[in-house]
Amino acid sequence: GAGVSQTPSNKVTEKGKYVELRCDPISGHTALYWYRQSLGQGPEFLIYFQGTGAADDSGLPNDRFFAVRPEGSVSTLKIQRTERGDSAVYLCASSLTRDSLGEEQFFGPGTRLTVL
Amino acid sequence: DAKTTQPPSMDCAEGRAANLPCNHSTISGNEYVYWYRQIHSQGPQYIIHGLKNNETNEMASLIITEDRKSSTLILPHATLRDTAVYYCIVRINDYKLSFGAGTTVTVRA
Repeated sequence: GAGVSQTPSNKVTEKGKYVELRCDPISGHTALYWYRQSLGQGPEFLIYFQGTGAADDSGLPNDRFFAVRPEGSVSTLKIQRTERGDSAVYLCASSLTRDSLGEEQFFGPGTRLTVL
Repeated sequence: DAKTTQPPSMDCAEGRAANLPCNHSTISGNEYVYWYRQIHSQGPQYIIHGLKNNETNEMASLIITEDRKSSTLILPHATLRDTAVYYCIVRINDYKLSFGAGTTVTVRA
């Protein structure tokens, strides 16, 4: 079956621009997660949605970052006034419900964001 | 979540078992040990998890010491496609995955 998909796969933008990154979770998965992975490091948690609501956004680095999931399925990560330090791979994952014993998070391939 | 310590890299011969160590000396009684791997240019992939008992599935085996301060992930017959970064994570049963730097495993023919 279809896994988690993310678009675009690559995004190059200029400093100060606005970008949107899209995540399509596995159908029926109510939990959705965003992570960010800088070069040579492991992924870092950004935000977690249960349904339409952001249950935990404590990982968002600052108020330039915002994410939505209006219908409880597709999610969009939005970054305003991009900075060169925002360059990273942005990973999305989903799980059937809130991740719990025996439930794994399924990751998408990521969006590679490059801010020039 | 408790921190983990993994070697930064290791090599393994194709067809041989790969034994990946992980130290988690500050693990608490209700924290699980999870393993994920990340093949180049892909998202992380779940491998296995356990609490106290050893676990085995179609991908790997997980051996947890009796004091739970360390564990070993075993890939029984490594193939070239097992070349990846392997992450050992200890966590309470919640939603955040806290990845460290992991172990870069290179399987050589």
